[in-house]
Order: sequence, then structure tokens, then C-alpha cells
Amino acid sequence: DAKTTQPPSMDCAEGRAANLPCNHSTISGNEYVYWYRQIHSQGPQYIIHGLKNNETNEMASLIITEDRKSSTLILPHATLRDTAVYYCIVRVGFGGGSNYKLTFGKGTLLTVNP
Amino acid sequence: SAVISQKPSRDICQRGTSLTIQCQVDSQVTMMFWYRQQPGQSLTLIATANQGSEATYESGFVIDKFPISRPNLTFSTLTVSNMSPEDSSIYLCSVEEITVGGYTFGSGTRLTVV
Repeated sequence: DAKTTQPPSMDCAEGRAANLPCNHSTISGNEYVYWYRQIHSQGPQYIIHGLKNNETNEMASLIITEDRKSSTLILPHATLRDTAVYYCIVRVGFGGGSNYKLTFGKGTLLTVNP
Repeated sequence: SAVISQKPSRDICQRGTSLTIQCQVDSQVTMMFWYRQQPGQSLTLIATANQGSEATYESGFVIDKFPISRPNLTFSTLTVSNMSPEDSSIYLCSVEEITVGGYTFGSGTRLTVV
């Protein structure tokens, strides 16, 4: 799976949008971009994923650049409960590839401040 | 999404002993995964457990140290054998959920070896 690069930490004010960047310049054509987060002392939680189109769900939006070499996770109105480590992972889509592993990097610690 | 129950949620164990961690899923799943998260670190995959076959271990992890059972499609155990303080970590099980686009994780077992 392609390697990702994320800033180690970011701060965001409560109520503002949090924009978390991820670089994945070696992504392959069949690899998706997945985002997970891990709130302290809990297991990771799936947020969103996409291939090349922008995606939105009830938790977040995912913006993928046209060349697919980078992406941004957007939490539109961050709350204190969004304070967590956010992981950007690229891998082949579930169910269609032989590699089922999720490889976690160090992620970005997002701290939402009151 | 699937609900995963892990037991115990935490334990303090003496070095040289073994601990078996249980992972119960509320639906049938083909593959279950065991991760380790050492203090202040990201998640590392230990092994993949398929029902009816031997687990597949990642580099650096061996069956003698981390034996895994997978007796049916809803249950798995991970044993941490002959523990040392270096085994102090959070151990998490996870399942793949194609319908929700990713993995679901249990809340983890926090192990402290003294």
C-alpha cells in the first residue's frame, strides 16, 4: 500500500472547520483513501473513504485532488469530542483485493480548543 | 455496523504468565484481525484470523508468542504468552465490513505486565 504523510498535530477552534491534509503521492490507480480516527483509549473509528471523487457523509467530507496525490478531510463544525488522532490510509478497496491489511501511520493529533 | 465485544477491557499481569483476550462479534464475519498498540504508538497488525484455518502472522510476530484461535465466524481469541513488560500494550480486534466501507474495531484490551 502507498505511504502517506500527515502533520503530527493540528489545532482547531470549536465550531470552526477542521481541515486535515494528507499526502499520498505514490498512490496507485486502484487504491482508495481511507480516514479513521482514534479517540483516546478507544478503538479506531471509520470516518470516510473515496477513490477520486469528493465524498461527504454525516461525519465529514473528503476532498481528493485531481491527480490523487493528496487529500483533505474536513470536519465542518469541530466539537471538543472531535479531539482525536486522525489516520489517513491508502489501500486497495475492500472485497476486491487480496491485501486485507490496514497499515496505520502516526496520524495527526487534532486538538479542538474551546 | 458490527458490534465487537472484547474481554477483558484491562488487566494487570505478572511477567511470565499468559493472558487470553476474547473477541466476540454480533454477526458472522470471514476475517478477524488482531492489532497491538504500544504506548504512544500507532497500531500494528499482529495477525489475520480466518475461520477454519491457521492465522497468518505479520513479520515480527510468531504463533508461539501470540497463539490465535478462530473456532467460528463470530469469535476469536488472542493469547499473549510468557509475558514481559514489553508486552504492555493495548490489543484490539477488528473485522472487515464491506457494507460500511471499512473496518470496525473493538474497544481494546489494555494490558500492563509487571
